Amino acid sequence: DADVTQTPRNRITKTGKRIMLECSQTKGHDRMYWYRQDPGLGLRLIYYSFDVKDINKGEISDGYSVSRQAQAKFSLSLESAIPNQTALYFCATSEQGAGDIQYFGAGTRLSVL
Amino acid sequence: KNQVEQSPQSLIILEGKNCTLQCNYTVSPFSNLRWYKQDTGRGPVSLTIMTFSENTKSNGRYTATLDADTKQSSLHITASQLSDSASYICVVSKYNNNDMRFGAGTRLTVKP
Repeated sequence: DADVTQTPRNRITKTGKRIMLECSQTKGHDRMYWYRQDPGLGLRLIYYSFDVKDINKGEISDGYSVSRQAQAKFSLSLESAIPNQTALYFCATSEQGAGDIQYFGAGTRLSVL
Repeated sequence: KNQVEQSPQSLIILEGKNCTLQCNYTVSPFSNLRWYKQDTGRGPVSLTIMTFSENTKSNGRYTATLDADTKQSSLHITASQLSDSASYICVVSKYNNNDMRFGAGTRLTVKP
């Protein structure tokens, strides 16, 4: 987990606020992902990036945006947070060809009041 | 409807006992199936990955099986330890690998 660092680890915000979650990695991987995890549901992919400046929508991208301006950094933004975005958010990295095994950060617990 | 269903939702066993977790999927076309372990408050960690041609893969006391015909997988844990207490997540990838479907997980509790 230490190779993939998420900040902050916990965040409480109010409806309508803009918030950014940061992810940085020291693994040198080209691929990075953002997921959310809700109780009783599997992780769902929000956005993914295969390289700097490459951005792809995942299963549930509405209400989110991302930025990949460096290989090691991938940030997730909630432009106007709403309560149903309260969830546990995970960043992950992988390297093409190496079985595409994903390495996850420790997660960011976000509460939108 | 989730394309990856795991059972049971939760399981409690005594230390030293074996257990088997199940994963059924409808994801198609199939590329690979992975099992992850997620400790409380941590991100998932990969245990095994199996492609279409593999029907078993071991990682220490963890053994995963795959039946691609029936679209079922299992994760068998041998001689459980307290540190095995975690959620176990089954993940199935489509052929392009960037479309992965996660199961909701099985919460395993190992008691002394």
